[in-house]
Amino acid sequence: GAGVSQSPSNKVTEKGKDVELRCDPISGHTALYWYRQSLGQGLEFLIYFQGNSAPDKSGLPSDRFSAERTGGSVSTLTIQRTQQEDSAVYLCASSHGTREAQPQHFGDGTRLSIL
Amino acid sequence: QKEVEQDPGPLSVPEGAIVSLNCTYSNSAFQYFMWYRQYSRKGPELLMYTYSSGNKEDGRFTAQVDKSSKYISLFIRDSQPSDSATYLCAMSASGNQFYFGTGTSLTVIP
Repeated sequence: GAGVSQSPSNKVTEKGKDVELRCDPISGHTALYWYRQSLGQGLEFLIYFQGNSAPDKSGLPSDRFSAERTGGSVSTLTIQRTQQEDSAVYLCASSHGTREAQPQHFGDGTRLSIL
Repeated sequence: QKEVEQDPGPLSVPEGAIVSLNCTYSNSAFQYFMWYRQYSRKGPELLMYTYSSGNKEDGRFTAQVDKSSKYISLFIRDSQPSDSATYLCAMSASGNQFYFGTGTSLTVIP
């Protein structure tokens, strides 16, 4: 079956522009996560969605970052007024849910470069 | 102190060698443990998922958890060039909070 799909795979933009990153999770997965991965760093948790519950936004680094998940499926991560330190790979993952710590399945990420 | 510590390597071994990858952690509440493999410019791919202490084997891969020492390992037998990748450990106490290591870069030389 189809895995987690992310688009675009690469994005280059100028400092100060807004960007939108898209994630299409595995069908039937109710949990969706966004992470940021920088060179030499671990995965930095950004935000978590579970079903219709309020998202856990505790990892968002600033108010320039926001995310939504429409209809319990596709999610969009938006970064406003991008800065050079936002350059990283943004990974999306989905899982069956949180009855127990279900392992996450990742997309290939969006490689974001801010000039 | 980080929740999860992982030696970044790089680790270089000849083809056919046994590889040992390790992570240590500080939170005794962790009970779910995962290993991911990440190829260059790809997302992490789940290799092993274990609950609590003990060993789990899948083909050439063995995951080992020692909760008393707060130490987990991934062993790769008969390593192949296709095993060259970055290996990430991850762990969770429950629910949605997962903690990842920074990854160990492995190269298997033909």
